[in-house]
Amino acid sequence: EAQVTQNPRYLITVTGKKLTVTCSQNMNHEYMSWYRQDPGLGLRQIYYSMNVEVTDKGDVPEGYKVSRKEKRNFPLILESPSPNQTSLYFCASSSYQGQVVNSPLHFGNGTRLTVT
Amino acid sequence: GENVEQHPSTLSVQEGDSAVIKCTYSDSASNYFPWYKQELGKRPQLIIDIRSNVGEKKDQRIAVTLNKTAKHFSLHITETQPEDSAVYFCAAKGNNRLAFGKGNQVVVIP
Repeated sequence: EAQVTQNPRYLITVTGKKLTVTCSQNMNHEYMSWYRQDPGLGLRQIYYSMNVEVTDKGDVPEGYKVSRKEKRNFPLILESPSPNQTSLYFCASSSYQGQVVNSPLHFGNGTRLTVT
Repeated sequence: GENVEQHPSTLSVQEGDSAVIKCTYSDSASNYFPWYKQELGKRPQLIIDIRSNVGEKKDQRIAVTLNKTAKHFSLHITETQPEDSAVYFCAAKGNNRLAFGKGNQVVVIP
């Protein structure tokens, strides 16, 4: 089954304790992205990747890191989490041809992160 | 970058009536406009999309219209049912990135 898998689904942590949220897709998609969803603010892009070893900042990259060492994986790293990073996080992937993202985003099931 | 505005933020409709959600975008170069539905506690899922070379697209009870000149596009849901209650996000693609609107809560009243 074609899917985007995020882990964990729920995570409670304390300020400053490094964490990683994993994301994996089995559709051979070139494009992957991380979003955070907060009430009243919709989906805001954190980072995205057009392909292996190619990553770019989205709209709200501060406090986050990503890596794209393999095509299928795109982990989100919070080196020193703070309470304002408490949010619902979604990973998504899509295919593209040339310079054009031309297919819909497929979202993972989300990771609800609470930083105390 | 692209900026997408979505109105209204909340919409209540009687079951069987139609619902319309409107979005505007800022980048005239944007050429792909998807709509996502997010049910409570679940991930966003694509329900319909339209490309800039098309003015309207229908899929059963849902349709999307695009006005490139005015830079706005709309989602139309006819004969609404309780299962249509959800948050709907519009988006516009510019520079290989999708910019999302803030979402619209649609409540279908039985």
